[in-house]
Amino acid sequence: EVLLVESGGGLVQPGGSLRLSCAASGFTFSSYWMHWVRQAPGKGLVWVSRANGDASDTTYADSVKGRFTISRDNAKNTLYLQMNSLRAEDTAVYFCARSATGGYFDNWGQGSQVTVSS
Amino acid sequence: QTVVTQEPSFSVSPGGTVTLTCDLNSGSISTNYYPSWYQQTPGQAPRTLIYNTNTRSSGVPDRFSGSILGDKAALTITGAQADDESDYYCALYMGSGIWVFGGGTKLTVL
Repeated sequence: EVLLVESGGGLVQPGGSLRLSCAASGFTFSSYWMHWVRQAPGKGLVWVSRANGDASDTTYADSVKGRFTISRDNAKNTLYLQMNSLRAEDTAVYFCARSATGGYFDNWGQGSQVTVSS
Repeated sequence: QTVVTQEPSFSVSPGGTVTLTCDLNSGSISTNYYPSWYQQTPGQAPRTLIYNTNTRSSGVPDRFSGSILGDKAALTITGAQADDESDYYCALYMGSGIWVFGGGTKLTVL
């Protein structure tokens, strides 16, 4: 069974930093692209970032480019999202998701809440 | 800026049929965008329904179907049930490792 478990969320002040983790199990982690998708309170899903199998190729939404960094440790089967210069508008539940061949998200974690507030 | 638009809300009667659409501001949606659809209930993670335009994900009932209608991607629910009341999101692959979600449709079954 594919399992994705996010952690590392919490309350942080504007301008602060936070690192999210997503522990993966039940599949060959290094063979899949992985993503972060977020959802602000009462709002829709927003794609944030993607890393290919060895994180040699990463992409970002314009709203986080230059502030967020996606990475992965395939030995630990873990995906990360380093978030710097956080803003109030980054407040959201952050989901990690696995990407299947064909460009869709086939498995999702339960999400980690990030709140940016003073 | 790429904008993907969905109907904010829709209502369907139990047993009825509803088609939700996904529109791209920069032009027509084709299979090259690999449209996919996700269902989400409050407080839960999204559930994958449809991928590659019209392929149902494992375990998804066949009352859910995907298609291209005109220049939009579409999700049709035939014989809606009470537990289909959820938020529905489309997603498009824009190429170059970039994805965009639609704003979502809140479906009410009553």
